[in-house]
Amino acid sequence: EAGVVQSPRYKIIEKKQPVAFWCNPISGHNTLYWYLQNLGQGPELLIRYENEEAVDDSQLPKDRFSAERLKGVDSTLKIQPAELGDSAVYLCASSRAGGPLYEQFFGPGTRLTVL
Amino acid sequence: KNQVEQSPQSLIILEGKNCTLQCNYTVSPFSNLRWYKQDTGRGPVSLTIMTFSENTKSNGRYTATLDADTKQSSLHITASQLSDSASYICVVSVTGGGNKLTFGTGTQLKVEL
Repeated sequence: EAGVVQSPRYKIIEKKQPVAFWCNPISGHNTLYWYLQNLGQGPELLIRYENEEAVDDSQLPKDRFSAERLKGVDSTLKIQPAELGDSAVYLCASSRAGGPLYEQFFGPGTRLTVL
Repeated sequence: KNQVEQSPQSLIILEGKNCTLQCNYTVSPFSNLRWYKQDTGRGPVSLTIMTFSENTKSNGRYTATLDADTKQSSLHITASQLSDSASYICVVSVTGGGNKLTFGTGTQLKVEL
């Protein structure tokens, strides 16, 4: 089966510009996650979706970050405006359901560089 | 505060040698512990999962152990290969947390000829 697909793989923008990342989860996976990973660190959860509902967005900086998962499949994460400190890898993951025993499958990530 | 600490931070070994990576956690209530392998430029991939009642789990040349009493885990890699060069991340899940994961910062392993 196809894995989690993310695009673009790399993005370079100037500060204050907007940017959007796209994620297509594994078919049949109801739960979708967006993570931020800084260099040399483990991923940090930004938002978790159960189908189309955001059930945990407590770590999402809502002043500049937004996300949506229309129709409960693909998802988009947006930053507007981007800041220098947003430079990181943005990982998308999906799991069949939201319980702790369901493995999360990760995409390759989008590496964002803000100049 | 839920935390996962890993050691060493980085490790260099020769091809064919064995190595052991360590993980200590303070996450509770504990559900399970996974070891992930993350190749450069790729997303993490799960190697093993252990629940509270399991104290060892193997996946090929990878063997993970869990001591739930001392809240420690290890990942042993046997007969290392160049392709084992990656970051190995210890990840702990809590019960009732909606699959919320607490990640360690990883051990960067480099296998050399």
